[in-house]
Amino acid sequence: AQSVTQLDSQVPVFEEAPVELRCNYSSSVSVYLFWYVQYPNQGLQLLLKYLSGSTLVESINGFEAEFNKSQTSFHLRKPSVHISDTAEYFCAVSLNTGFQKLVFGTGTRLLVSP
Amino acid sequence: SQTIHQWPATLVQPVGSPLSLECTVEGTSNPNLYWYRQAAGRGLQLLFYSVGIGQISSEVPQNLSASRPQDRQFILSSKKLLLSDSGFYLCAWATEKGYNEQFFGPGTRLTVL
Repeated sequence: AQSVTQLDSQVPVFEEAPVELRCNYSSSVSVYLFWYVQYPNQGLQLLLKYLSGSTLVESINGFEAEFNKSQTSFHLRKPSVHISDTAEYFCAVSLNTGFQKLVFGTGTRLLVSP
Repeated sequence: SQTIHQWPATLVQPVGSPLSLECTVEGTSNPNLYWYRQAAGRGLQLLFYSVGIGQISSEVPQNLSASRPQDRQFILSSKKLLLSDSGFYLCAWATEKGYNEQFFGPGTRLTVL
């Protein structure tokens, strides 16, 4: 079965600094990969996804993630964060065959301070 | 466009009382539906999923149950709540065919006292 590891439970950064949120997965077969963001007391919103093709995927608000098959990673990056990026970020994986469930990591809380 | 609704938004219930949380999806047909629970400071735990009317799969044995009486309606229930049932409950849907990209509702905050 597949699994997802987000080693950092909390990442504090200053506004306009770069940030990387780490995600590693375990699977013996090909997967789809997702990053979700959750603002306080809200549901999860899809931030970006890797399905196939280019290993670098981008979101509309400046985040990007790179699929690295050899390292089984899908780290999330942003070159310059804003206060409004403060939220919980979840990495998720599913197998790419038929009906599959999403397996989520435990989440990383990004805290952006002025 | 598709939208997903959950109600109520917040709920405070005494231990031993019943529970009914509702989730409805608009703008799509034959969705796969999911119930998750998010405990304070923890990740998401998949509770139930459904691939069609009346078809429910349980992921974790507990005192909760789920039902899908209509194509786009998913209900989470309990006959007697426990303190440990407190948490943030999220409903999600995904297309019947596709990449299992899930779309989440706004959630219900349940506090059991």
